[in-house]
Amino acid sequence: DAMVIQNPRYQVTQFGKPVTLSCSQTLNHNVMYWYQQKSSQAPKLLFHYYDKDFNNEADTPDNFQSRRPNTSFCFLDIRSPGLGDAAMYLCATSRTFGEQYFGPGTRLTVT
Amino acid sequence: AQTVTQSQPEMSVQEAETVTLSCTYDTSESDYYLFWYKQPPSRQMILVIRQEAYKQQNATENRFSVNFQKAAKSFSLKISDSQLGDAAMYFCAYKRANGQNFVFGPGTRLSVLP
Repeated sequence: DAMVIQNPRYQVTQFGKPVTLSCSQTLNHNVMYWYQQKSSQAPKLLFHYYDKDFNNEADTPDNFQSRRPNTSFCFLDIRSPGLGDAAMYLCATSRTFGEQYFGPGTRLTVT
Repeated sequence: AQTVTQSQPEMSVQEAETVTLSCTYDTSESDYYLFWYKQPPSRQMILVIRQEAYKQQNATENRFSVNFQKAAKSFSLKISDSQLGDAAMYFCAYKRANGQNFVFGPGTRLSVLP
């Protein structure tokens, strides 16, 4: 089945230690998104790629970076995680005109 | 900027009964999409139903239907014959037809009582 895959599902990192979360898709969608979701809140968009074009939200901290080496893969790099970055990170994809499909998320814990 | 409001932080419904979740949005666009997403506890966000603004007919997916009132900028979700598996956070979302960003409402937590 076509899907959005996130690895790892659970990630524990130390305060200040860089961490990378990955997302892959078999849907061949041209748009990929990264969201941060904290408990019982709506997902907060960090950035998205429209094809190769990177779009950063104005309030996304500089601590967060992203890479999209090809259509199928997208990475979220957190350069120096703080305690406030502990959250669920959701990857999603969509076509230009259409709904989003979400991955299962990566729960990040910062110790 | 577009905004999406869900005025009911929590709702509950008896199993087999019907419940309606409210959503209003603000936009100056005439062409857009609206969505309802479901996120069960500790589980994946999935699409429940979508509505294109240019369509007057309300979307329906099995037990889920919407009441889309374009002039009032209202987009409510009706769940009929509620089941225990319907318990989840429900998010209303908006997307401009020619844009890529989805704007989410704050969510409504639905509990289904046996």
